Amino acid sequence: GESVGLHLPTLSVQEGDNSIINCAYSNSASDYFIWYKQESGKGPQFIIDIRSNMDKRQGQRVTVLLNKTVKHLSLQIAATQPGDSAVYFCAENSGYSTLTFGKGTMLLVSP
Amino acid sequence: SAVISQKPSRDICQRGTSLTIQCQVDSQVTMMFWYRQQPGQSLTLIATANQGSEATYESGFVIDKFPISRPNLTFSTLTVSNMSPEDSSIYLCSVDLVMETQYFGPGTRLLVL
Repeated sequence: GESVGLHLPTLSVQEGDNSIINCAYSNSASDYFIWYKQESGKGPQFIIDIRSNMDKRQGQRVTVLLNKTVKHLSLQIAATQPGDSAVYFCAENSGYSTLTFGKGTMLLVSP
Repeated sequence: SAVISQKPSRDICQRGTSLTIQCQVDSQVTMMFWYRQQPGQSLTLIATANQGSEATYESGFVIDKFPISRPNLTFSTLTVSNMSPEDSSIYLCSVDLVMETQYFGPGTRLLVL
C-alpha cells in the first residue's frame, strides 16, 4: 500500500513508553484545534480536540496540551501500543469552519 | 459519528482523461469538504461544498480543473479534469457533523500515468 509518511518527521518509541508529538500552529486567531491519526491506506481519524479557552484536555490514553503563548500544541499518548503506529496531524480552525493541517509526524512503535 | 464512503477507492488513469470521485454520508450534513494529499504530504483543502450553492475554492484550485457538485445534503462529487501525473494523490472528502469538527472518508487513491 502507499505510505503517507515518506517525507515526514518520525518518532520511534518502544511499546509501553509514553509518546509526545508536537505541533506548531501559525494563526494566533485560531480558536479550535484537532488531532487526527492516519493509518496507512485510510482516511484521517479524529482523536481529540481542544478549544483555545483550555490548556489541557484528556481522553482515553491521550492528552492534548495547548500553549497559546508560543502557538504550540502537543499530543501525549500513554502506554503506546503497536496499534498506535500511524501518521498524526494537528489541524487548526482559523474561521469559516475550514481546517489548516500541520505537516504531520509518523509514529513508529516497536514491540 | 457517521459513515462516510468514497468511490472509487483507487484508480489508475491515463493523462488527459477525467475522473469523478463520489462521496456519500449516511446523515444529512451542511458542509462537505474536499482535500488533496500528495504522496508523503499533509492535507490541502481544495474546496468547500454547500448544498444549493457554488463550491468555494481555495487559492491554487480552480473550478475548471476540479468541478464539484453537491446535489443534496448527503452526497458530493469531485471531478479531476484533464489529468496529469502531478494529479496523482489521495483525494479525501470530509463532513462537519459537529460544528467545526470534520470527519473523513477513506480516500480515493489516484495514479495518473
